[in-house]
Amino acid sequence: QVQLVQSGAEVKKTGTSVKVSCKGSGYRFNEYAIHWVRQGPGQRPEWMGWMNAGNGNTMYSQKFQGRVNFSRETSANTAYMVLSSLTSEDTAVYFCAVVVVATPYWGQGTLVTVSS
Amino acid sequence: DIQMTQSPSTLSASVGDRVIITCRASQSITRWLAWYQQEPGKAPKLLISKASALAGGVPSRFSGSGSGTDFTLTISSLQPGDFATYYCQQYNSYPWTFGRGTKVEV
Repeated sequence: QVQLVQSGAEVKKTGTSVKVSCKGSGYRFNEYAIHWVRQGPGQRPEWMGWMNAGNGNTMYSQKFQGRVNFSRETSANTAYMVLSSLTSEDTAVYFCAVVVVATPYWGQGTLVTVSS
Repeated sequence: DIQMTQSPSTLSASVGDRVIITCRASQSITRWLAWYQQEPGKAPKLLISKASALAGGVPSRFSGSGSGTDFTLTISSLQPGDFATYYCQQYNSYPWTFGRGTKVEV
């Protein structure tokens, strides 16, 4: 079955960067796009962008353009999201997701807490 | 961006009640709509994909319908574990967008 397993919670200082990983299994990793979504406290989920896991092409939400970077390590079936210049507004749970045969699958989420 | 208007924002119900939540897209998304259930501190759990396809392991009291711009999630008989927040999401085009959520409470 399709599974996405993310890295553990992070606590970061304002102005630094965070890197979240997402390991896929149960499907052909290279053939599907990995999406990143975040959800702030009490807020609806917010799409950050996607990456073609096969060729590495990316599309970023305008809100995060210039501050976010997606990458992948195909040999490890793992995708990464790096968000830089963190502020307290970036405190949120970050999810990776993949749509396989019209069905969305999500990782378990990674809590990123940003404090000064 | 496609706006997703979900209603109601809060719904008071009792065990056994039939519950209907609606979601309207600002333009046609054909049937590329998902419904999620979320409990505090947990990841969203997929209930319905492609507007009406029940996700694996989800009880049959949950059902989805609609196409184009108007969609509904129905819980035929509310159970104690169903008190949670529900979100709709369109994945027809980028950016993916979500409704504001419906909190189902006692």
